[in-house]
Amino acid sequence: KAGVTQTPRYLIKTRGQQVTLSCSPISGHRSVSWYQQTPGQGLQFLFEYFSETQRNKGNFPGRFSGRQFSNSRSEMNVSTLELGDSALYLCASSRGQGEAFFGQGTRLTVV
Amino acid sequence: EDQVTQSPEALRLQEGESSSLNCSYTVSGLRGLFWYRQDPGKGPEFLFTLYSAGEEKEKERLKATLTKKESFLHITAPKPEDSATYLCAVQAFGGSQGNLIFGKGTKLSVKP
Repeated sequence: KAGVTQTPRYLIKTRGQQVTLSCSPISGHRSVSWYQQTPGQGLQFLFEYFSETQRNKGNFPGRFSGRQFSNSRSEMNVSTLELGDSALYLCASSRGQGEAFFGQGTRLTVV
Repeated sequence: EDQVTQSPEALRLQEGESSSLNCSYTVSGLRGLFWYRQDPGKGPEFLFTLYSAGEEKEKERLKATLTKKESFLHITAPKPEDSATYLCAVQAFGGSQGNLIFGKGTKLSVKP
């Protein structure tokens, strides 16, 4: 059974640019959540999508956005990148309740 | 405010030296508590889910327990391959099911 797939694995972007990250959940999972992981703050919740609808949103600025497609695949977008956006971005999928399974993450470096 | 605190931040053990990791939580209503293992540069790997006080789960050398205020991850006779960061997370009633609140983790090093 395939796990959660995130692409790309690594990205280097310049301040002010925008970036789009992709997540393919486990087959049959309708919930996709996004997290930002940094050494100082740990894992912080960005938002969750369920059946193409944003169900919950964390405390991040509006520069962070996401969407989910009818096949449950999800994308997150960060506009006007700042140095502080450098982090490991993790996607997790679940059936909607119970445990969530994480992808390997996308390492974003903003220079 | 819902909160998760893990201790210690780092733990060094000799191979075979058993110990416990602690996860204290404050949440308005606990839907579930989760333990994950994370290796450097990788995503968290799911270990256990606990739902109610008194519940226990075991997997190989790991055993997770839950009380009304905290959870413990007991590691029996650890091996070097158990070295990783162990993360605890809670899911609260009222929040969406995809919203996990994580602690900052315990970094475990097991020396041969």
